[in-house]
Amino acid sequence: DQQVKQNSPSLSVQEGRISILNCDYTNSMFDYFLWYKKYPAEGPTFLISISSIKDKNEDGRFTVFLNKSAKHLSLHIVPSQPGDSAVYFCAASAMSNAGNMLTFGGGTRLMVKP
Amino acid sequence: GAVVSQHPSRVICKSGTSVKIECRSLDFQATTMFWYRQFPKQSLMLMATSNEGSKATYEQGVEKDKFLINHASLTLSTLTVTSAHPEDSSFYICSARIGTVLNEQFFGPGTRLTVL
Repeated sequence: DQQVKQNSPSLSVQEGRISILNCDYTNSMFDYFLWYKKYPAEGPTFLISISSIKDKNEDGRFTVFLNKSAKHLSLHIVPSQPGDSAVYFCAASAMSNAGNMLTFGGGTRLMVKP
Repeated sequence: GAVVSQHPSRVICKSGTSVKIECRSLDFQATTMFWYRQFPKQSLMLMATSNEGSKATYEQGVEKDKFLINHASLTLSTLTVTSAHPEDSSFYICSARIGTVLNEQFFGPGTRLTVL
C-alpha cells in the first residue's frame, strides 16, 4: 500500500516554462513534506520542504504547495532550466513518529528541453 | 551540503555469496543512518534505521538475518547482504541524519547490486 504516490512517472517541459510535479498521500498523520532531486548515479538531495501548518513555501525558483484537505502537494519550478532535468521524489513524515522516518513516492523524471 | 559516501558503487556477485556495503558520513557525525532499497522505477523503500552503538530497527518484511546492519561509529554503517540471491539485486542507498531535523538527512550515491 503506497502511502505517497507520484502518478506521473515522467514530465517534459520546455526551457523557461513552468514545471509542475504532483504528489498525493493517504496517511493523514503525515505533517511534514519534502522534495528531493536525484541525478543518475547520485543520491537524492534535499530541495525544499513544507510543514502542514503552511500551504505554501517558496525558495527561489522552487515553490511547494500543500492542500491538506485533498492530501496533495505540488512542486512548481519556474522558470525551468535544462539543469533541472532529474528525478524528483516527494517524501512525507509524521513528526510525531519516533525516528521521523521518511516515506517516499515513486519519483517523477523531469526533462527540461532547451 | 554534507557528504555521504558509499562503497562499492557497483557490485556483481554469485548467488550464495555475501556482500558488504559501506556508508560513511565524510564531514559530519550522523546520529542516525538509514538504509533504503530501490527497485527500478519505484520509490525508495526504507529497510532499516540504525543508531550508533545499538541494534538496527528493521521495517516490516525485511529479514534482519539476511540484511545485517552494523553501525560501528558515528560516521560508518555497513549493510551486509548475506547469502545473496538474484531477487536481492537492487539499488541500495544509505542516508545519514544530523540530529532529528528531517531536511538534514543526506543521501549516499547508492550501490547497484547484481546477483547472478
